[in-house]
Amino acid sequence: AQRVTQPEKLLSVFKGAPVELKCNYSYSGSPELFWYVQYSRQRLQLLLRHISRESIKGFTADLNKGETSFHLKKPFAQEEDSAMYYCALASGGYQKVTFGIGTKLQVIP
Amino acid sequence: SAVISQKPSRDICQRGTSLTIQCQVDSQVTMMFWYRQQPGQSLTLIATANQGSEATYESGFVIDKFPISRPNLTFSTLTVSNMSPEDSSIYLCSVSADYNSPLHFGNGTRLTVT
Repeated sequence: AQRVTQPEKLLSVFKGAPVELKCNYSYSGSPELFWYVQYSRQRLQLLLRHISRESIKGFTADLNKGETSFHLKKPFAQEEDSAMYYCALASGGYQKVTFGIGTKLQVIP
Repeated sequence: SAVISQKPSRDICQRGTSLTIQCQVDSQVTMMFWYRQQPGQSLTLIATANQGSEATYESGFVIDKFPISRPNLTFSTLTVSNMSPEDSSIYLCSVSADYNSPLHFGNGTRLTVT
C-alpha cells in the first residue's frame, strides 16, 4: 500500500527565514510525487511535480529515493506563502493519488 | 488548466436525507474523481467517475451510499445518501485531462449533517 506522511501539521517561520516542509512516502514502485497548495479561500492547486524539476514561486523539491522523501524547500519565506501544503503520490498514472494530511505553513511578519 | 465548477459550495442537511453535488468542467477531460476530506484528515479518494459506465469505488465506499453519475466528459454528480453526522466533510471533484496529466480540483462542497 502506498502512504504519504507529513509529520508536521503546523510550521511557523518568520518572514525571510528558510522553509522546509517535510514529506516521506512509502511505495514499492516508482512513484510520481507532487506538492499541492491551498491558499485561504482558494481551491487546492498543483504547486510542483518532481518530474518537472522546476522552481515554482521560489519553492523546490527533490525526490530522494534513498530516504523516500520529497521535502519542499524555499530559502526565504514570504507572507504570501502562508497556506496549507499537501504532499501527494501518484501510482499507475493518475488513477491512484494518495495525499498526506497536510502542513499548515504560517509565515510570521 | 480546466475550470471546474462545483455546486453547492456548502450545505447543511438533516440526518437521513440525501444531497447531490454537481461538478462541471469547461473542457472534456478523461478522468474525473471524487474525494472526501474529513475534518483534520487528508484527502481520501471515494471513486473514479467513469463516463457511460458505473463508477469505480475505493475500499470502504459503496455505490448505495455514494452513487455517482457521469453522463459525458464534462459533468459528474456525487450523491451522499441517507446522511449521518459522520458524513460531514468537504467533498471535492477532481479532474485529469488525460492519463498523464496531474489532478486539478474544484472548490469543494462543505457538507454539515445535523
